[in-house]
Amino acid sequence: DAGVTQSPTHLIKTRGQQVTLRCSPKSGHDTVSWYQQALGQGPQFIFQYYEEEERQRGNFPDRFSGHQFPNYSSELNVNALLLGDSALYLCASSLTLGGGGYTFGSGTRLTVV
Amino acid sequence: AQSVAQPEDQVNVAEGNPLTVKCTYSVSGNPYLFWYVQYPNRGLQFLLKYITGDNLVKGSYGFEAEFNKSQTSFHLKKPSALVSDSALYFCAVTPGSGNTGKLIFGQGTTLQVKP
Repeated sequence: DAGVTQSPTHLIKTRGQQVTLRCSPKSGHDTVSWYQQALGQGPQFIFQYYEEEERQRGNFPDRFSGHQFPNYSSELNVNALLLGDSALYLCASSLTLGGGGYTFGSGTRLTVV
Repeated sequence: AQSVAQPEDQVNVAEGNPLTVKCTYSVSGNPYLFWYVQYPNRGLQFLLKYITGDNLVKGSYGFEAEFNKSQTSFHLKKPSALVSDSALYFCAVTPGSGNTGKLIFGQGTTLQVKP
């Protein structure tokens, strides 16, 4: 039973560029949440997708956007990258908005130079 | 503001000794409470959760946590620490009552278990 899969594992981008991160949820899960974990900090909630719609959003600017596909996989897009966007981006999947708990992927390490 | 506090940046304990990693929270309602562990350059691994019922929750790898509603605390414990328990531990809560689909994390506590 595959867990949560994120790609790529590492990424280096230049300031001002755009980036897309991808997440495949655990089998049987239909909800995907994204978190940003800056170095030395706890993860911060970005947003959550369920039934292909953004259901909740944390305190992140509109440069952060997402999408969920019919197969429940999800993308996180960040536009106009800033140095401060450098972080580990974690995807968590769950069943129906969190029922049964959350399974996290290993994350994508984004470095903005 | 809703928040989770882990007052210790690092906890040091000798192998075989009991360990406690502290967590307090400030959220409204009756939140769900979680502990996760993170190894270097890895995602978060679920340890245990409290939803309702017995205040002592048992989880993976011999860990347990004690929920104290009056003190709004959810401390992680293990009777006998292993060197392999050395990692970064996060406490998390769901704001509001029940399952709201969003986790608020503490800043993390590094556990160092020495042989």
